[in-house]
Amino acid sequence: TQLLEQSPQFLSIQEGENLTVYCNSSSVFSSLQWYRQEPGEGPVLLVTVVTGGEVKKLKRLTFQFGDARKDSSLHITAAQPGDTGLYLCAGGGGTSYGKLTFGQGTILTVHP
Amino acid sequence: SAVISQKPSRDICQRGTSLTIQCQVDSQVTMMFWYRQQPGQSLTLIATANQGSEATYESGFVIDKFPISRPNLTFSTLTVSNMSPEDSSIYLCSVNRVYNEQFFGPGTRLTVL
Repeated sequence: TQLLEQSPQFLSIQEGENLTVYCNSSSVFSSLQWYRQEPGEGPVLLVTVVTGGEVKKLKRLTFQFGDARKDSSLHITAAQPGDTGLYLCAGGGGTSYGKLTFGQGTILTVHP
Repeated sequence: SAVISQKPSRDICQRGTSLTIQCQVDSQVTMMFWYRQQPGQSLTLIATANQGSEATYESGFVIDKFPISRPNLTFSTLTVSNMSPEDSSIYLCSVNRVYNEQFFGPGTRLTVL
């Protein structure tokens, strides 16, 4: 069974601060996605990383995929209240074609 | 990507009744997924629905409780049967694309009294 450990579970910060969310596993994933979800909506895909060591940037968000494709991180620079939401990492691949393994989620609150 | 709609968006139901949730996709897809989510928590996969075959259920979920239909490549339904308050949750459908990316519907918020 593949597991993804996501941390921290909760983050409460002030506007302008930086933060990092981590996802770690003992399993290798062929791809890893990050989603953001706001109340009353479904998760929205932010990024997919597929290559070990890959780094992707989306404005103030930086995503890294570990060299061994077992871990990933999401770094937000100068957080804004609009970044508030539930962040989920999810790993794909392995023996369960099409299915994703989700981390436990990180609830981020950015105070103005 | 894909545009996915769900009906109803929310409902309040009585214990012992059943509710059918519909999921419509704007393009043909092979695999559709049904999830359950408590507010503020991660997603739990209920089942995978492929067109033309029976749904595959995850451990802890059974067909009698969560029957699924998949009549064509753009539509699926999930029924929550004989509901109890423990079934109160958000139910989401999704479809997958390349690199295992999944795209989600807006969810159905179910409250069972």
